[in-house]
Amino acid sequence: AQSVSQHNHHVILSEAASLELGCNYSYGGTVNLFWYVQYPGQHLQLLLKYFSGDPLVKGIKGFEAEFIKSKFSFNLRKPSVQWSDTAEYFCAVLSSNTGKLIFGQGTTLQVKP
Amino acid sequence: DARVTQTPRHKVTEMGQEVTMRCQPILGHNTVFWYRQTMMQGLELLAYFRNRAPLDDSGMPKDRFSAEMPDATLATLKIQPSEPRDSAVYFCASGSGPGTSGGGGETQYFGPGTRLLVL
Repeated sequence: AQSVSQHNHHVILSEAASLELGCNYSYGGTVNLFWYVQYPGQHLQLLLKYFSGDPLVKGIKGFEAEFIKSKFSFNLRKPSVQWSDTAEYFCAVLSSNTGKLIFGQGTTLQVKP
Repeated sequence: DARVTQTPRHKVTEMGQEVTMRCQPILGHNTVFWYRQTMMQGLELLAYFRNRAPLDDSGMPKDRFSAEMPDATLATLKIQPSEPRDSAVYFCASGSGPGTSGGGGETQYFGPGTRLLVL
């Protein structure tokens, strides 16, 4: 079955710390991968996406993610977090068969000022 | 700046009442998704449409929920009768699926959501 697993449910960091959020997927078809962010009380916004090409993808607000096919991973990184990065982060894989997005359970990031 | 719009943004109703939520997808997008988000269940896909045709509504309780796309600019999600357990945030998302100029993989863009409370 297709699935997405986010290892960290709740991460607490101080400002300026580096961030890495884990995401592993289980899917045998063509892989399209996404990271979405949901700020408190708001809707999901696209941070970045990978369809093909360079496995290191740069997104908005200084985020990047690396697709490592051999590890079935698509980890999200940011070198220096800010208090405004406090949010929930969702990793997702697109099923090319059904067109559905399969979401991970989300990681809540809390950045202390 | 093209966006998905949803109305109403907030809805408080009593158990047994009908609730209708509306979504206007981004112009030119041919795929519309309805999601429900709760603390307990997280994000759940309820139904989705491509070119106005329902492709999958297996995530939706059939006895009380219905989803339609009367035209390319409007998608609706209806609950009748509503129950307290339906309280959640309902998100609509739209995207450019296969067969459109979007090409490649499909990116979904989310609306602001309808926050529903059923008393």
